[in-house]
Amino acid sequence: GDSVTQMEGPVTLSEEAFLTINCTYTATGYPSLFWYVQYPGEGLQLLLKATKADDKGSNKGFEATYRKETTSFHLEKGSVQVSDSAVYFCALTNYGGSQGNLIFGKGTKLSVKP
Amino acid sequence: GAVVSQHPSWVICKSGTSVKIECRSLDFQATTMFWYRQFPKQSLMLMATSNEGSKATYEQGVEKDKFLINHASLTLSTLTVTSAHPEDSSFYICSAGANVLTFGAGSRLTVL
Repeated sequence: GDSVTQMEGPVTLSEEAFLTINCTYTATGYPSLFWYVQYPGEGLQLLLKATKADDKGSNKGFEATYRKETTSFHLEKGSVQVSDSAVYFCALTNYGGSQGNLIFGKGTKLSVKP
Repeated sequence: GAVVSQHPSWVICKSGTSVKIECRSLDFQATTMFWYRQFPKQSLMLMATSNEGSKATYEQGVEKDKFLINHASLTLSTLTVTSAHPEDSSFYICSAGANVLTFGAGSRLTVL
């Protein structure tokens, strides 16, 4: 079945460091891909998404490109801030974009130190 | 923006008792809500789709008699864990929305 694999954390970085969180997927057809972020004590929030190959999703300085050839959707940010400390989830849906049928990765905890 | 509220945020109960978790859409109506379960260091797993005014749709492997879902209004869905046991201890999350899902902050259940 469909699945999402993302790098295990925790990831600890210094402020202004470059961030990459790897995400690869297994799916039939043409899934839509998402990154969600969960700040401490809050619900998951959609960070960015891409619905077809070569699409680049971006938001708040974060970017991820839908790479069908490598079945990947790695999350990157050029310069992280302490406020980026959170848990990041990669996810996909293969049900016509219905986000209710999301398949999530295990989440990667990011801690940014000043 | 859209807000989804879950209550309680954490609950501890004795084995054999039932626990109800509420999921409310605070500023929008939701004909459909989703319930997820997350084990420590594991993915969120979709448990069921809650439909206002009709029966919930459960994912394969989820016991519908164990996890009772009621969606009696356009702003409230409830998940009742019946006769809870320690293996039901988990983090339960709901979400709602049309084009963009809004997630609740989750409810942590610990069954002693």
